[in-house]
Amino acid sequence: DVKVTQSSRYLVKRTGEKVFLECVQDMDHENMFWYRQDPGLGLRLIYFSYDVKMKEKGDIPEGYSVSREKKERFSLILESASTNQTSMYLCASRHSGFDYNEQFFGPGTRLTVL
Amino acid sequence: ILNVEQSPQSLHVQEGDSTNFTCSFPSSNFYALHWYRWETAKSPEALFVMTLNGDEKKKGRISATLNTKEGYSYLYIKGSQPEDSATYLCAFCTTTSGTYKYIFGTGTRLKVLA
Repeated sequence: DVKVTQSSRYLVKRTGEKVFLECVQDMDHENMFWYRQDPGLGLRLIYFSYDVKMKEKGDIPEGYSVSREKKERFSLILESASTNQTSMYLCASRHSGFDYNEQFFGPGTRLTVL
Repeated sequence: ILNVEQSPQSLHVQEGDSTNFTCSFPSSNFYALHWYRWETAKSPEALFVMTLNGDEKKKGRISATLNTKEGYSYLYIKGSQPEDSATYLCAFCTTTSGTYKYIFGTGTRLKVLA
């Protein structure tokens, strides 16, 4: 059974803290994505990675960075958390071999920044 | 700005009712349209990927149609069951300068009442 896991389901942090959200997939997928989901808005792409050590900015990268040192792991980093980063964060992965491949999602991390 | 709209935002139906909802997307630079089902506390799961105008896909009681010329896709559920309760997301896939971009709608939240 294919799986994308995220390190935490719920996380509470304080303003100014450095926050790490981890995502691991066991499908040997090349592409990985980080999204955030907010009420009334569709999933918005923060960063994505085509392959190991590669990263591309998505639509809303400000305040975030990412790391992809190993193929199976894609980390999202909030350098200095702010209250407007309170959101649901979803990780996804996708095999790049066929153009129409769907994305496989993790269960999400609900982050609250106080 | 590329916009993907889903309607209705939410609906309640009785068990056994059939229902349908809409995903509207830009009619230009179409590459693919994905439908996902997202149950509460679970990961979004792919239902269909649709690529050609006139495509019809079916999985059990759920089916989908695609009209790329006018920019819409319908998702149908026949004889709704409580286990169909979920948020249904569509994602419009387009290409720009050789890279793929996914734009998600805000989802239709379906509640099936027993």
